[in-house]
Amino acid sequence: EAGVVQSPRYKIIEKKQPVAFWCNPISGHNTLYWYLQNLGQGPELLIRYENEEAVDDSQLPKDRFSAERLKGVDSTLKIQPAELGDSAVYLCASSHRQGRGAQYFGPGTRLLVL
Amino acid sequence: GENVGLHLPTLSVQEGDNSIINCAYSNSASDYFIWYKQESGKGPQFIIDIRSNMDKRQGQRVTVLLNKTVKHLSLQIAATQPGDSAVYFCAETNQGGKLIFGQGTELSVKP
Repeated sequence: EAGVVQSPRYKIIEKKQPVAFWCNPISGHNTLYWYLQNLGQGPELLIRYENEEAVDDSQLPKDRFSAERLKGVDSTLKIQPAELGDSAVYLCASSHRQGRGAQYFGPGTRLLVL
Repeated sequence: GENVGLHLPTLSVQEGDNSIINCAYSNSASDYFIWYKQESGKGPQFIIDIRSNMDKRQGQRVTVLLNKTVKHLSLQIAATQPGDSAVYFCAETNQGGKLIFGQGTELSVKP
């Protein structure tokens, strides 16, 4: 079974530029999560989708961050404009059942904002 | 070797020894717990999980113990190998589905 796929794996941009991350969850997983992980810390939830509906986006900085999961499968996370403090690893995860099953993570996108 | 949760983030053990990584969770309403292993440059990898109606669960070379009375979770790794070197995170969640990660413990295995 293929795992969670993310792209790109690495991204370097200048501040104020836009950036987008893509995620393809494990087949059959209805729940998709985007996390942010700073160096030396655990992942922190940004947004959670149940199919195409964002059911928890309370931690998403909506002034510059946006996400979509139009067909309930793939998802895109966007930052516009990026700031220096956005440098981090952006992780996507998926699970079969909301809250009742393990979340499986992708390899992450490492973002560096200069 | 044994590590006490958030106060000792680094654990160094000899190859072949058993490792114990501890975690103190925060929410008494949490009913599902997961241990993840994260190697450098990779995403967290699921190791083992346990629900609050259990106090012990075993996998291949790993055992998770849950003590709800003191809100404590531990991961035991038998016969630790160099490939076990990584950062280990415990995570808790409740029926709302939001996963809360602990600080993480770095396990270093000496050959």
